[in-house]
Amino acid sequence: GAVVSQHPSRVICKSGTSVKIECRSLDFQATTMFWYRQFPKQSLMLMATSNEGSKATYEQGVEKDKFLINHASLTLSTLTVTSAHPEDSSFYICSATVIAGVPYEQYFGPGTRLTVT
Amino acid sequence: EDKVVQSPLSLVVHEGDTVTLNCSYEVTNFRSLLWYKQEKKAPTFLFMLTSSGIEKKSGRLSSILDKKELFSILNITATQTGDSAVYLCAVEFAQGGSEKLVFGKGTKLTVNP
Repeated sequence: GAVVSQHPSRVICKSGTSVKIECRSLDFQATTMFWYRQFPKQSLMLMATSNEGSKATYEQGVEKDKFLINHASLTLSTLTVTSAHPEDSSFYICSATVIAGVPYEQYFGPGTRLTVT
Repeated sequence: EDKVVQSPLSLVVHEGDTVTLNCSYEVTNFRSLLWYKQEKKAPTFLFMLTSSGIEKKSGRLSSILDKKELFSILNITATQTGDSAVYLCAVEFAQGGSEKLVFGKGTKLTVNP
């Protein structure tokens, strides 16, 4: 149980275009979903926290107008990278949890590799 | 089926104890195994292992990978209350032309004073 999927797994786009990444919890309802970006040396940066039906909470330094997050249902959150630039090329990972608060259990998706040319 | 399995799922110890956390995996086209510590927000990267038998060490933490038996262990010696966290193991591998990263469910470590 507790499977999280991401789609697409890999995407290549041209500079200036927008890309949407989907994160789905397949067999549970996720009260909260998180979006991470993986940086060199494997570090993960939390970009934003999204709760179903409400606006996402963005971490400091993350542009909310550039990284649009929509958590439309308890099983789906989307991250749209708008007007993508080569520096946005990265590995984006989502996770989902059914339990609010800290510490919590998170179930991670397999990640989406974005390459902006 | 789970590709990355961590054990135990939770562990409660006293300060000063030594703990060993386990991570076994089953993937093809293995690239690397990663250990993270998660306390509040983003998991903090600890180690990346790519070669068998070479121990990586950072302070009281150490880790080693066995690519033949497909597992890794994370050791923490002289535990402190600040070590209390969820420790995540993740495996990078290639599949269908793209890279995948699969996380285990984590081991929740509680260190009591």
